[in-house]
Amino acid sequence: DAGVTQSPTHLIKTRGQHVTLRCSPISGHKSVSWYQQVLGQGPQFIFQYYEKEERGRGNFPDRFSARQFPNYSSELNVNALLLGDSALYLCASSLLLGYGYTFGSGTRLTVV
Amino acid sequence: DQQVKQNSPSLSVQEGRISILNCDYTNSMFDYFLWYKKYPAEGPTFLISISSIKDKNEDGRFTVFLNKSAKHLSLHIVPSQPGDSAVYFCAASANNAGNMLTFGGGTRLMVKP
Repeated sequence: DAGVTQSPTHLIKTRGQHVTLRCSPISGHKSVSWYQQVLGQGPQFIFQYYEKEERGRGNFPDRFSARQFPNYSSELNVNALLLGDSALYLCASSLLLGYGYTFGSGTRLTVV
Repeated sequence: DQQVKQNSPSLSVQEGRISILNCDYTNSMFDYFLWYKKYPAEGPTFLISISSIKDKNEDGRFTVFLNKSAKHLSLHIVPSQPGDSAVYFCAASANNAGNMLTFGGGTRLMVKP
């Protein structure tokens, strides 16, 4: 059984560029959440989606956006990248809203 | 403003002894608490959770204690094993469920053989 799959695993971008991170949830899971983990800190909540609708948003600027597709996969988009956006971006999926979230291994984004 | 704090960045314990990891929170709206373990290059793995209606939850070698009046929770691992060496995160939510979590900064546990 495949777990939560995130792509790419690593990428390097230049300041000002745009990036799209992708997440495939566990089969049958309808809820996806995104977290940002800066080095040395705990993960910080960015977005939550359930049944393709946004159900929660953390304290992040409008440069961050996300969406969930009919197959429940999700994308996280970040515009106008800043050096401070360098982090591990984690996706987590759950069968239902609120319970039993399983995390993927993350995408390591480096902004130079 | 850190609403969930893990004040010990690291902890070293001998194999077979008890590991106690601590977590403090400030938001009185938090009503569900979780512990995650994270190995390098992997995502966090759920360990154990506790609802605010309880003060203790046990699962095998892992026990979580919640002291609501002190806004404090702790994770006890007995006996500690070298494979328990990882970073442990405390997390909390305000909707009696495990979503939209607020995480602490983590404690690195090293269990020495």
